[in-house]
Amino acid sequence: GGIITQTPKFLIGQEGQKLTLKCQQNFNHDTMYWYRQDSGKGLRLIYYSITENDLQKGDLSEGYDASREKKSSFSLTVTSAQKNEMAVFLCASRATGDDTQYFGPGTRLLVL
Amino acid sequence: GDSVTQTEGLVTVTEGLPVMLNCTYQTAYSDVAFFWYVQYLNEAPKLLLRSSTDNKRTEHQGFHATLHKSSSSFHLQKSSVQLSDSALYYCAQGNYKPTFGKGTSLVVHP
Repeated sequence: GGIITQTPKFLIGQEGQKLTLKCQQNFNHDTMYWYRQDSGKGLRLIYYSITENDLQKGDLSEGYDASREKKSSFSLTVTSAQKNEMAVFLCASRATGDDTQYFGPGTRLLVL
Repeated sequence: GDSVTQTEGLVTVTEGLPVMLNCTYQTAYSDVAFFWYVQYLNEAPKLLLRSSTDNKRTEHQGFHATLHKSSSSFHLQKSSVQLSDSALYYCAQGNYKPTFGKGTSLVVHP
């Protein structure tokens, strides 16, 4: 088995601030994902990475940057936090072979 | 592009009764897997069911689903729901760039 760790668990920021969320996995999976979860809108893909140093834009990449420095970690940066923004950011990794995704516990973002 | 549609945002069912959550999709790929993920309150989504085989029933935890490529559907069903089944359910297509539906919140009441 394995685990996905996301830090921080809660993130409170100010409008215009650059905020970084981190994700670590020990499954040894190649592919990793960042999703944004808003009530009623499902899981929207922000960025994904098929392998170390690879980055692919998802459907919601505007306003975000990502970084995959090594196989086990995938970071997401909110480049300029929007006032009153509130969402949960989920990191996931994908098993090779059966395509199942394994999710982390999430980072809850609140921008004041 | 690819899409996954879950028509119900909220389904409310009485304990012990059957339930079906709808999932239809559009995809350009002929060989891709489809998933149901379940997310309990304050937990991460996790796999409930997976299928890539046309017309084959897949079961887990009392839930079942059959992928029907002819109708582009992968509906989730259970014959007798329990209070503990209350959760958010996502249907998803499992490509390298996956596509999720908007989710269906299932509320089971006594």
